[in-house]
Amino acid sequence: DVKVTQSSRYLVKRTGEKVFLECVQDMDHENMFWYRQDPGLGLRLIYFSYDVKMKEKGDIPEGYSVSREKKERFSLILESASTNQTSMYLCASSLSAGRGVGYTFGSGTRLTVV
Amino acid sequence: AQTVTQSQPEMSVQEAETVTLSCTYDTSESDYYLFWYKQPPSRQMILVIRQEAYKQQNATENRFSVNFQKAAKSFSLKISDSQLGDAAMYFCAYRSQYGGSQGNLIFGKGTKLSVKP
Repeated sequence: DVKVTQSSRYLVKRTGEKVFLECVQDMDHENMFWYRQDPGLGLRLIYFSYDVKMKEKGDIPEGYSVSREKKERFSLILESASTNQTSMYLCASSLSAGRGVGYTFGSGTRLTVV
Repeated sequence: AQTVTQSQPEMSVQEAETVTLSCTYDTSESDYYLFWYKQPPSRQMILVIRQEAYKQQNATENRFSVNFQKAAKSFSLKISDSQLGDAAMYFCAYRSQYGGSQGNLIFGKGTKLSVKP
């Protein structure tokens, strides 16, 4: 069964800390995505990547960066965590759009910044 | 740019009854893909059903079926014989056939479905 694994289910960090959220997929997918999910706002795309070492900004990239050194791993980095980054973070992966498939999601990381 | 609209923020259904969740979208493309995702309280987003726009036949997966009206740009999800485990947030999503950022999934805001015993 295909899997997207997010390293932490719950995370509590202090304001100003550098935070790493890790995501690993075992499906050899080209595309990987990071979303944040907040009540009433739905899913908002932070960053995405179509290939190793490449990245593109989504709708809300401010305060975040990403790293994709290997095809299976896509890391989201909060350079200096702030309380307004308290949220649910979802990682997803997929084959390319032309294949007509959806995304496979991880089980999410609930991050609280205090 | 494509948009996806779910006009029902919340819905409720009695166990064993049927419920329909609405979704409309806007696109100028002729070939694309549509999806319904379920997100239960456990948070894992699960693909429920997928529809290819060039197929006229509505997709079905057990108790889940869609009513795909291409001309009306409507893609509703019908859940038959609702079960307590169907309680979740449901997201409608659109995906272009094209690559690059154009091919990213576009999600609606979601519909929260409650199932009453």
